[in-house]
Amino acid sequence: QVQLVQSGSELKKPGASVKVSCKASGYTFSTYAMNWVRQAPGQGLEWMGWINTNTGNPTYAQGFTGRFVFSLDTSVSTAYLHISSLKAEDTAVYFCARGLTMTTVATFGYWGQGTLVTVSS
Amino acid sequence: QSALTQPASVSGSPGQSITISCTGTSRDVGSYNLVSWYQQHPGKAPKLMIYEGNKRPSGVSNRFSGSKSGNTASLTISGLQAEDEADYYCCSHAGRNVVFGGGTKLTVL
Repeated sequence: QVQLVQSGSELKKPGASVKVSCKASGYTFSTYAMNWVRQAPGQGLEWMGWINTNTGNPTYAQGFTGRFVFSLDTSVSTAYLHISSLKAEDTAVYFCARGLTMTTVATFGYWGQGTLVTVSS
Repeated sequence: QSALTQPASVSGSPGQSITISCTGTSRDVGSYNLVSWYQQHPGKAPKLMIYEGNKRPSGVSNRFSGSKSGNTASLTISGLQAEDEADYYCCSHAGRNVVFGGGTKLTVL
């Protein structure tokens, strides 16, 4: 069965960086794009963008350019979210999410469990 | 890209039906039949409940249904049950982007 397993919670100081991982199993990794979604404490879901797992080409939503980088290690079926120059407002749960099928668009049928990133001095 | 507009909260009694609206624009909800709905319980990942406007993934109860009229999509839950109490988010394709609604807290009285 499809599973997305994310790395554990992180506590970082402002200005530091963090790398969140999302390990996929149960399907051919390179055949489905991987999306990233942010949820600040008590707030709603915010789509951050996606990465083409076949080509490695990332697409970032408005507001997630510059300090946010999506990457892959296809040898271990893992997607990564790297955030640099962390700010307090980056404190959130970050989810990876995969499409339901190869043809559905903007339909996230599978989610990781979420990774809490806390930025505090 | 602005978030889709949802009511902050709705409530209903067990057995009743409720509807959650999701208003977008002609650039997102109105242009595509690609609205999805997610249920999220506290501390959990979102769960897909409806996609492409009115389709249910395998395993989702037929008490959940979706519809769309113009720039507004709707999620209806019939026969409310206690376990339906959760946050609900709509989501739409918007060209090169994806946009979520602000979320609606459903309380089962």
